[in-house]
Amino acid sequence: DIQMTQSPASLSASVGETVTITCGASENIYGALNWYQRKQGKSPQLLIYGATNLADGMSSRFSGSGSGRQYSLKISSLHPDDVATYYCQNVLSTYTFGGGTKLEIK
Amino acid sequence: EVQLQQSGPELVKPGTSVKISCKTSGFIFTEYTMHWVKQSHGKSLEWIGSINPKNGVTSYNQKFKGKATLPVDKSSSTAYMELRSLTSDDSAVYYCARVDDGYYPYPMDYWGQGTSVTVSS
Repeated sequence: DIQMTQSPASLSASVGETVTITCGASENIYGALNWYQRKQGKSPQLLIYGATNLADGMSSRFSGSGSGRQYSLKISSLHPDDVATYYCQNVLSTYTFGGGTKLEIK
Repeated sequence: EVQLQQSGPELVKPGTSVKISCKTSGFIFTEYTMHWVKQSHGKSLEWIGSINPKNGVTSYNQKFKGKATLPVDKSSSTAYMELRSLTSDDSAVYYCARVDDGYYPYPMDYWGQGTSVTVSS
């Protein structure tokens, strides 16, 4: 199975900052990568699909990039509402999720 | 409006089984694959498996074969997950989610609210 490694596991940043979360696959996943945002007490919500496409209704401050084995999620101009855990997901094989990145606001 | 409404929290004894439901509305049930995802406390998300309601074809994470079964009731647009031989490792929140298999890369675009399962004697 393809393994997904996310970093960092946790992140603390100030309002207005830009942060980047990375996700590495154990092999080439050809852009078959989605990102989800899960706020405390809520279900996961689709954020980015196909590595770079913003899901309907999600803020344009979120952007995804990457190819091959390396992918990243960038959050620009952090808002307090961005506090959440972010997960990458490989869909090339068996929908494997990364370990998650917990984002907090300083 | 698309909705996936899951059944309520379960407190069950070790060695028993539990069946969780995911009642859907707002879309054509047979045009989407239904997936199930586990989130143990403090851990990441784990894909359990999926079912195509149109033809009943299932796919499972190897880890959950023999543990989970995923039936559906097309007449009520409801997906189910049955977990058997429960242990404390099965204590978690379980989510259902839908996927449009005709839309690569198959994002899980709507999720249920989650069902908490606690296994305790």
